[in-house]
Amino acid sequence: DQQVKQNSPSLSVQEGRISILNCDYTNSMFDYFLWYKKYPAEGPTFLISISSIKDKNEDGRFTVFLNKSAKHLSLHIVPSQPGDSAVYFCAARAQHDYKLSFGAGTTVTVRA
Amino acid sequence: GAGVSQTPSNKVTEKGKYVELRCDPISGHTALYWYRQSLGQGPEFLIYFQGTGAADDSGLPNDRFFAVRPEGSVSTLKIQRTERGDSAVYLCASSPSRGGGYTFGSGTRLTVV
Repeated sequence: DQQVKQNSPSLSVQEGRISILNCDYTNSMFDYFLWYKKYPAEGPTFLISISSIKDKNEDGRFTVFLNKSAKHLSLHIVPSQPGDSAVYFCAARAQHDYKLSFGAGTTVTVRA
Repeated sequence: GAGVSQTPSNKVTEKGKYVELRCDPISGHTALYWYRQSLGQGPEFLIYFQGTGAADDSGLPNDRFFAVRPEGSVSTLKIQRTERGDSAVYLCASSPSRGGGYTFGSGTRLTVV
């Protein structure tokens, strides 16, 4: 059973515009959420995270929003740049756990 | 080294053969994890080591899969009697401590033909 779902396999956005990636989860024990970015032939790299005690975390062009009641989070990238073209994975874990549950990923393509 | 190193980067093997995949974590990282990413899916947890011991191997799919970390550093994932369904990218990650921030390696792409 997939506990973390990314329902959009791909997203195409024009350079300079906003990219919005969505993620839903089913396990109410999850309280820490992460986004990873992956380029071809490389491992996932950590991008940004959010704890369940917050509803927003911002780091430069990247902002993650968490809606606990809806079990939904989103990643906003603004403005989108060509180097942002990659696969983005949403991941989650329960407090004090070490295992991450990942979504299937969303491939973002930023068009010039 | 500066990052997590995985070798080989690609491995093609025949069905039924035995393979070993190696992971060299960041120096000093006590926690080491193996994940498997099948086509079109996100990474799935296989096994977690704290030091030399496998603290959690609940993600290993069956007894054909085994992993070791004899000296608390390098780890080897071993797959016996490979099947075509084992084809995937095998990712290794390490962290300074249990539950700490992961650093992933680039993965080993295993293809069973």
